[in-house]
Amino acid sequence: GIQVEQSPPDLILQEGANSTLRCNFSDSVNNLQWFHQNPWGQLINLFYIPSGTKQNGRLSATTVATERYSLLYISSSQTTDSGVYFCAVRRLGGNQFYFGTGTSLTVIP
Amino acid sequence: NAGVTQTPKFQVLKTGQSMTLQCAQDMNHEYMSWYRQDPGMGLRLIHYSVGAGITDQGEVPNGYNVSRSTTEDFPLRLLSAAPSQTSVYFCASSPSGLVMDEQYFGPGTRLTVT
Repeated sequence: GIQVEQSPPDLILQEGANSTLRCNFSDSVNNLQWFHQNPWGQLINLFYIPSGTKQNGRLSATTVATERYSLLYISSSQTTDSGVYFCAVRRLGGNQFYFGTGTSLTVIP
Repeated sequence: NAGVTQTPKFQVLKTGQSMTLQCAQDMNHEYMSWYRQDPGMGLRLIHYSVGAGITDQGEVPNGYNVSRSTTEDFPLRLLSAAPSQTSVYFCASSPSGLVMDEQYFGPGTRLTVT
């Protein structure tokens, strides 16, 4: 398979702070997604971003496929941003997705 | 569109019982998959299907069977439940089995095996 490592594993932020979450992967990929799992367990699509940069409101993501990493930026964090953030990748030529173990984010008021 | 639906939401089984977790999507997606999520871990792929009539194993297929007779449905069968299968199960779909893009997830089924 492919190894997917996310850092940091846990993060506690004051409301309004900014953060950067990282996803490293061990092989070439042609598919990468970021998900937010909310406290009720629901998985919400944030970005489909095999390469390049995308922005959606306070969130943005950048994938540098040649260097095998992706970053998720959260600006002006809110308590509703709490939950676990996962990245998932598909190796070039493969059919399976591999997930990282996630970053658990807690935003306190 | 309802998206990806899963039933039941919760289930308790005794060791050795069998059951089927249901997954359906109404987006005409070719690719469907099943994952399990254990505490403190990411999701691990159990089985996937790139189209009706085609299934394949993922990382952790032992103890599970699948079939894909229609584009819409992708049930997951536990033949003889074991406590190690206690987990949250997610079904997902994406548009194409050849060039996959975004996966969309169902709400999950929380399974406890006693």
